[in-house]
Amino acid sequence: KQEVTQIPAALSVPEGENLVLNCSFTDSAIYNLQWFRQDPGKGLTSLLLIQSSQREQTSGRLNASLDKSSGRSTLYIAASQPGDSATYLCAVPDQTGANNLFFGTGTRLTVIP
Amino acid sequence: DVKVTQSSRYLVKRTGEKVFLECVQDMDHENMFWYRQDPGLGLRLIYFSYDVKMKEKGDIPEGYSVSREKKERFSLILESASTNQTSMYLCASRTGTGLYGYTFGSGTRLTVV
Repeated sequence: KQEVTQIPAALSVPEGENLVLNCSFTDSAIYNLQWFRQDPGKGLTSLLLIQSSQREQTSGRLNASLDKSSGRSTLYIAASQPGDSATYLCAVPDQTGANNLFFGTGTRLTVIP
Repeated sequence: DVKVTQSSRYLVKRTGEKVFLECVQDMDHENMFWYRQDPGLGLRLIYFSYDVKMKEKGDIPEGYSVSREKKERFSLILESASTNQTSMYLCASRTGTGLYGYTFGSGTRLTVV
């Protein structure tokens, strides 16, 4: 069964810093990997979807990379802002066709003004 | 902007009540999902539906049922609410196969007293 891990579990940075969140998965046979953001008490907002054939995907200050062979993805956030404070989750779909997502454990990011 | 809408942000229900959580998507997606999210346990799939009137059990279906009479609407039913069903419930939808990304709603925080 696919296992998805995120390191670190929590991260605090001063405003303006660039930062990297890490996601690793045990089964490299994935269709894609999706990064989400979750604010406290709210739902998930999709940030980036990176397909298995892609190496990178960018949206504004966010850049996601994918290395299937090593089972890793990173989410790079440039010039962090207090509004970026949230929990970030990565997820990969179940390859068996069971229509499920395997979620990482999440990284709680705090950007200090 | 595409949307998944959950009808209630917060609900408080009594033990033994029958509870309906409603989810509507405006993207003409075939697939819809119900997850619950608990601290330390992450997101767990309760049920999903791949077509009108079709449903499949997820990882934790006990105590729940679902209804999908129209393509855009997927309801989660707690037949007899219990305190251990206090949780954040998240609805999601997706088109096609696992090649496509998921869109989540804003969540319903259910408290059973």
